Amino acid sequence: KAGVTQTPRYLIKTRGQQVTLSCSPISGHRSVSWYQQTPGQGLQFLFEYFSETQRNKGNFPGRFSGRQFSNSRSEMNVSTLELGDSALYLCASSVQGAASGYTFGSGTRLTVV
Amino acid sequence: TQLLEQSPQFLSIQEGENLTVYCNSSSVFSSLQWYRQEPGEGPVLLVTVVTGGEVKKLKRLTFQFGDARKDSSLHITAAQPGDTGLYLCAVPNAGNNRKLIWGLGTSLAVNP
Repeated sequence: KAGVTQTPRYLIKTRGQQVTLSCSPISGHRSVSWYQQTPGQGLQFLFEYFSETQRNKGNFPGRFSGRQFSNSRSEMNVSTLELGDSALYLCASSVQGAASGYTFGSGTRLTVV
Repeated sequence: TQLLEQSPQFLSIQEGENLTVYCNSSSVFSSLQWYRQEPGEGPVLLVTVVTGGEVKKLKRLTFQFGDARKDSSLHITAAQPGDTGLYLCAVPNAGNNRKLIWGLGTSLAVNP
């Protein structure tokens, strides 16, 4: 079966702009989680959506938001980009959430200049 | 302070050597997951350990969960260049197990 698909793979944006990242989970997986990965902080949890509802939110500012559609596809949005938002953004798909283990997409590499 | 401490941070070895990497904490966990991440890709789940003292094998990789469920090790026998990558351990957050807490990883390079 198809894996987790994230688009785009690479993105370069200017400070102050906004960006939308997309994730299509594995068919049948209703839980989609988003993580930010940087060399210094590792993987940091952004949020989780399950059946179109946000179940969980990490300690990120309100500039980071997300949503999930009825087909389980998810998007995350970052507004008013800052240089520090440069990172690899990873989408993780699972049947029932973190404890059951994740299948990750390849990520979106965001560079803010 | 990282909840999960992984060591060593970097490791560079020759093909055919054995190695062990560690994931340590002062907290007790219900379970622990190991992932491998290759450059430019997302992490891939290798194994989940649940029971204290549990040992799981995946070909040349041996995973052990500490008796007290506070630490874990990953041993690779006869490493190959294909084992190169970032090895990450992760645990469900104690207060809310719908997210994982991650170590910073061990970056392994296996040279031919």
